Amino acid sequence: AQSVTQPDIHITVSEGASLELRCNYSYGATPYLFWYVQSPGQGLQLLLKYFSGDTLVQGIKGFEAEFKRSQSSFNLRKPSVHWSDAAEYFCAVATASGAGSYQLTFGKGTKLSVIP
Amino acid sequence: KAGVTQTPRYLIKTRGQQVTLSCSPISGHRSVSWYQQTPGQGLQFLFEYFSETQRNKGNFPGRFSGRQFSNSRSEMNVSTLELGDSALYLCASRRSGISTDTQYFGPGTRLTVL
Repeated sequence: AQSVTQPDIHITVSEGASLELRCNYSYGATPYLFWYVQSPGQGLQLLLKYFSGDTLVQGIKGFEAEFKRSQSSFNLRKPSVHWSDAAEYFCAVATASGAGSYQLTFGKGTKLSVIP
Repeated sequence: KAGVTQTPRYLIKTRGQQVTLSCSPISGHRSVSWYQQTPGQGLQFLFEYFSETQRNKGNFPGRFSGRQFSNSRSEMNVSTLELGDSALYLCASRRSGISTDTQYFGPGTRLTVL
């Protein structure tokens, strides 16, 4: 069965420091991968997605992610973190169920705290 | 363009009651999915509707049901509420039935069951 693992429950970084959030997936076919961000009391906002092609994907707010098939990973990176990036980040894989339908299987999330 | 809207944003019910949550997708989107988010289980898929038909369902009991109207708006119903149903319920819409379409999420409805 498909699954997503985010090994880090909570990460704290200083403002201006670089960031890498880890994501490993388990899926038999070519994965469709996503990173979403959730601020307290809010829904999920899409940061970026990977369907095919270039394995380095650029997203909004200066985020990027790299798909590595050999490592079954899709890690999220940002070169310089801003205080407003403090939130919870979710990695997800789309599981197709036929006729264009798919469901997202999410990791447990990584909570990011930013020290001013 | 307006995003996905969900009403109500907050809801308090007691055990045994039923509840109906509403979701209005982004204009032009025909697919609506529902997810439950709890601290213990995380984000879990409930079901997806497309053109008024349920075409995918997660592993939830029959107390959880939904429907979609001709204007793509969707409702989710939970009957005989249990304490464990307390959660943030998120609705997501996407344009069509193509598997590469992206899901866009609403702000959620926070349900508390007492």
